[in-house]
Amino acid sequence: AQSVSQHNHHVILSEAASLELGCNYSYGGTVNLFWYVQYPGQHLQLLLKYFSGDPLVKGIKGFEAEFIKSKFSFNLRKPSVQWSDTAEYFCAVTGISSGSARQLTFGSGTQLTVLP
Amino acid sequence: GEEVAQTPKHLVRGEGQKAKLYCAPIKGHSYVFWYQQVLKNEFKFLISFQNENVFDETGMPKERFSAKCLPNSPCSLEIQATKLEDSAVYFCASTGRGLYEQYFGPGTRLTVT
Repeated sequence: AQSVSQHNHHVILSEAASLELGCNYSYGGTVNLFWYVQYPGQHLQLLLKYFSGDPLVKGIKGFEAEFIKSKFSFNLRKPSVQWSDTAEYFCAVTGISSGSARQLTFGSGTQLTVLP
Repeated sequence: GEEVAQTPKHLVRGEGQKAKLYCAPIKGHSYVFWYQQVLKNEFKFLISFQNENVFDETGMPKERFSAKCLPNSPCSLEIQATKLEDSAVYFCASTGRGLYEQYFGPGTRLTVT
């Protein structure tokens, strides 16, 4: 069974600080990896995704993530956070199977609070 | 449409009552997923459909939960005889064949009192 671990439950930063949120997964095959964001009162939005190729992927709003296969990690980064980045961040993984869409397995989420 | 639509936005039911939630996937998407989010985190997969066929129902509590995706109708998730522990936000997501990113609806907040 696949699982996703997000070790930081709540991160508090000041504006302009750099951000790194950890994500480790466990899965016995090839995976697709995602970071979703949930702003207060809103639904999940896709920040970025990794399917294959360059392990450093760039997403929206200045976020990026690096897939390190040997560490089973997919950490999210942003060089300089803004107050508007305050939200809950979820790492998710899905296994790849020949053209079929599989369900996402989510981490437990990291609440990011950015202080103005 | 270009967004996943879910209705109603909020639903309040007394314990033991029935609850029915609806989801309209993005036009052209053939996969629909239902997730339950309890306590603002902990997403739990419930069931997925490929068109009108159940694709994976390993997450469904079989006794009280049922779901359908019929042609030309929104998909539905029904909970018979709701329990307090069913209080959660229920999200629907859709994706197309060959795609892996899922697009989420705004969710339905179910409160069982």
